[in-house]
Amino acid sequence: DTGVSQDPRHKITKRGQNVTFRCDPISEHNRLYWYRQTLGQGPEFLTYFQNEAQLEKSRLLSDRFSAERPKGSFSTLEIQRTEQGDSAMYLCASSPIGTGVGEQYFGPGTRLTVT
Amino acid sequence: AQSVTQLDSQVPVFEEAPVELRCNYSSSVSVYLFWYVQYPNQGLQLLLKYLSGSTLVKGINGFEAEFNKSQTSFHLRKPSVHISDTAEYFCAVSEGVSGGYQKVTFGTGTKLQVIP
Repeated sequence: DTGVSQDPRHKITKRGQNVTFRCDPISEHNRLYWYRQTLGQGPEFLTYFQNEAQLEKSRLLSDRFSAERPKGSFSTLEIQRTEQGDSAMYLCASSPIGTGVGEQYFGPGTRLTVT
Repeated sequence: AQSVTQLDSQVPVFEEAPVELRCNYSSSVSVYLFWYVQYPNQGLQLLLKYLSGSTLVKGINGFEAEFNKSQTSFHLRKPSVHISDTAEYFCAVSEGVSGGYQKVTFGTGTKLQVIP
């Protein structure tokens, strides 16, 4: 078990382009979360999956953002028509089901810079 | 709605000195409390958590925190810091799991700078 992995680690894109990030959770974890972290702030919740079902979405997640978790394994987060305000660190976390309240295991994040 | 306040954005401390990072929370129901650490260019790592029971919680790397319900606080302490403790620390609160979803709200973080 190598923990939660994210790809790419860094992404620079021009305003208006589409970007896609990938998250591979810990293999036995059913729950998967996406967060956004901007400078000087803590992580802000974006969306949550239990297996392949997207059960919760933050109002922060505009129509330009979409997330998927096909087959309940890896997840992708796509941002369409990127804006400079989308520049942030995008964090993925996972946790096991059946343990009630427990800690979330975070990946290293994908840092997005929109120029 | 739950919220977390970390009163100090930066805390400088000399190596081998004690440190306390402050955290206050607001919630209308019983909560679960966490401290995470984030090293530069890395994701967050859980330091410790309070779910129930003893109000003094011990975590990794010699850190501990005390849950104080009357003061709605969950301050993080370490009796003697090391250079390697230089990082950003986030306090977080959860009101539990509803429909399988654990909503966790994070504070804005406190940067601990250990001075040699």
